[in-house]
Order: sequence, then structure tokens, then C-alpha cells
Amino acid sequence: AQKITQTQPGMFVQEKEAVTLDCTYDTSDQSYGLFWYKQPSSGEMIFLIYQGSYDEQNATEGRYSLNFQKARKSANLVISASQLGDSAMYFCAMREVKYNFNKFYFGSGTKLNVKP
Amino acid sequence: DADVTQTPRNRITKTGKRIMLECSQTKGHDRMYWYRQDPGLGLRLIYYSFDVKDINKGEISDGYSVSRQAQAKFSLSLESAIPNQTALYFCATSARSGTTYNEQFFGPGTRLTVL
Repeated sequence: AQKITQTQPGMFVQEKEAVTLDCTYDTSDQSYGLFWYKQPSSGEMIFLIYQGSYDEQNATEGRYSLNFQKARKSANLVISASQLGDSAMYFCAMREVKYNFNKFYFGSGTKLNVKP
Repeated sequence: DADVTQTPRNRITKTGKRIMLECSQTKGHDRMYWYRQDPGLGLRLIYYSFDVKDINKGEISDGYSVSRQAQAKFSLSLESAIPNQTALYFCATSARSGTTYNEQFFGPGTRLTVL
């Protein structure tokens, strides 16, 4: 089974509007971490936001927030007030700890295009 | 200066050639990883390493080998490159503990084309 599922291969959003990128995950662990990374066309991977499985509040970092619904195993990224520079690929990832080792799983990504 | 560096950044080679991609880090992390990225498939783990003495296969290790020469260096080799190894390759590091989120830190990527 897929550990991380991103069902939106591509999305468009109008500049200044909010957008939600979907992510569902699959784990039987109690302790895990969820991440979102941004990959602009230049190729580098930029860490955006983190949510721990025991965190009761949704994580926020500036215009990014993570809508964490543990029972549904979803960790959607919300970008408020989209900017042209937000156009990029976005990857959801999960960290599990196996034998004292952090193992990471990545989704297939969502390509976001912000329209002026 | 970048904390995780990869060389080369771009490489074009021919089928059957041996290729080595190198990764160096100044973050002091003991965990290092090699991923490949293909369009529509996200990142897939090739190899990962606990520390210098511990190397493990990831989900797609066939056709690849690695060497952890030092804590800061982790090299990926393609012994006999084939065209379906054309991809973007990322090296990443993470700490055992002590960072805020134990997130992975990525190098800039190496774009490899096998003709």
C-alpha cells in the first residue's frame, strides 16, 4: 500500500487566493512526523512545515498551515494568499522511526500553478 | 555555503559507463540517503546509511551501489548505466536527534542523463 498519497497531480489557483493541497498517509505507528516540501523549477527541495503525530494543534508557518486530521490520516497543506512564487511542485512526506532510524516516505507530488 | 552539496550537478553519459555521484555534508548528521526522482513518481529511496558502518538498501537499489567514505561523504555509483536510470538524484541527511523536527535536508540534486 502507498504510504503517502497525493491525489492532485496538478492544480491551478488565482493569485491572492487560498489553495489546499491534499495528502493522505498510511501508518500503524503511533509516533510519526508529517512534512511538506516545495520544489521550484530550479529543482531544490525546500522544507516548508512539519506536524508531529502528537501535536494537538495544526502547524502554521507564515502563509502555510497544515490541516491535520489524525483519524482520517490526512495532512493537507493550505497556502493562503497565493503568490506567483508559490508555483512549484509540492511533496508530502512522512517519517517513521524503524530500528532507531528515521525512514521517510514521499508522495508523488502536486504541481501548483499560480495564475496572475 | 550549502550544507549538503552534490557533484556533479549535471551529467550526460552513455549506456554501459560507470558513473559516480558524490554527496558531502557539513551538518554533522549521521544519517544519509540517496533518492531518485522521476516525473509522476515522487522521490524513491535507493540507499540509506545509519553511519559509516551501516548501509542499507532502499526500495530501488538494483543497478546501484553506495560507499560511505566518512560521516560527511556518501557516494552513489551506477556500475553500468542504462537509459532508464535517467533521473534527478538527491542526496539528503537527517540527524538522529537534536534538530527541531528531525527533517531531511536535501542537496541541490544531480540531473543524470543516460543516452
